[in-house]
Amino acid sequence: SQTIHQWPATLVQPVGSPLSLECTVEGTSNPNLYWYRQAAGRGLQLLFYSVGIGQISSEVPQNLSASRPQDRQFILSSKKLLLSDSGFYLCAWSVLAKSQPQHFGDGTRLSIL
Amino acid sequence: TQLLEQSPQFLSIQEGENLTVYCNSSSVFSSLQWYRQEPGEGPVLLVTVVTGGEVKKLKRLTFQFGDARKDSSLHITAAQPGDTGLYLCAGARTGGSYIPTFGRGTSLIVHP
Repeated sequence: SQTIHQWPATLVQPVGSPLSLECTVEGTSNPNLYWYRQAAGRGLQLLFYSVGIGQISSEVPQNLSASRPQDRQFILSSKKLLLSDSGFYLCAWSVLAKSQPQHFGDGTRLSIL
Repeated sequence: TQLLEQSPQFLSIQEGENLTVYCNSSSVFSSLQWYRQEPGEGPVLLVTVVTGGEVKKLKRLTFQFGDARKDSSLHITAAQPGDTGLYLCAGARTGGSYIPTFGRGTSLIVHP
């Protein structure tokens, strides 16, 4: 069966510090991968998605970047965090085809001080 | 403008009551998913509907896809405290896309 791992679960970082959140998927090949940010108790804002190694599409201009160094690894990064980067970050995967449902990790709660 | 409008945004009910959550759009979707999310966790897929007029049942949950594939509803019978959570609908536009469109969610609290 397929599983998705996302870490860390919680993170507290000072303003201006770097960020690296990692997401890995097991049990499937060539998945679509996604990074979302979610405001408290509300819907999802798509940040990045990837349909293959090294292929990253950005949906929202911001202080963040994403990379896909391996087929089942997706990394969300920042060189200098802002207060506005606080939030709940979710990684998701779907089968490599259009119109497929997504499967989410457990999320990372990021607090910027 | 939100492509998928969910209503109500918030719902607070007593255990045993019935409820319906709506997901509406002016656009046609090739498929639509419903997710439930508990605090501090990622959304979990409940169901996918793909055919206009389709009705799917998952125990006490009934999902319906509108005939024109522009809207969907989730009905919960005899709600239980374990049903508490954020319910999200998401749709894939016709023609297909790698990017689903999410509604803003309905936050449900079921009091014992």
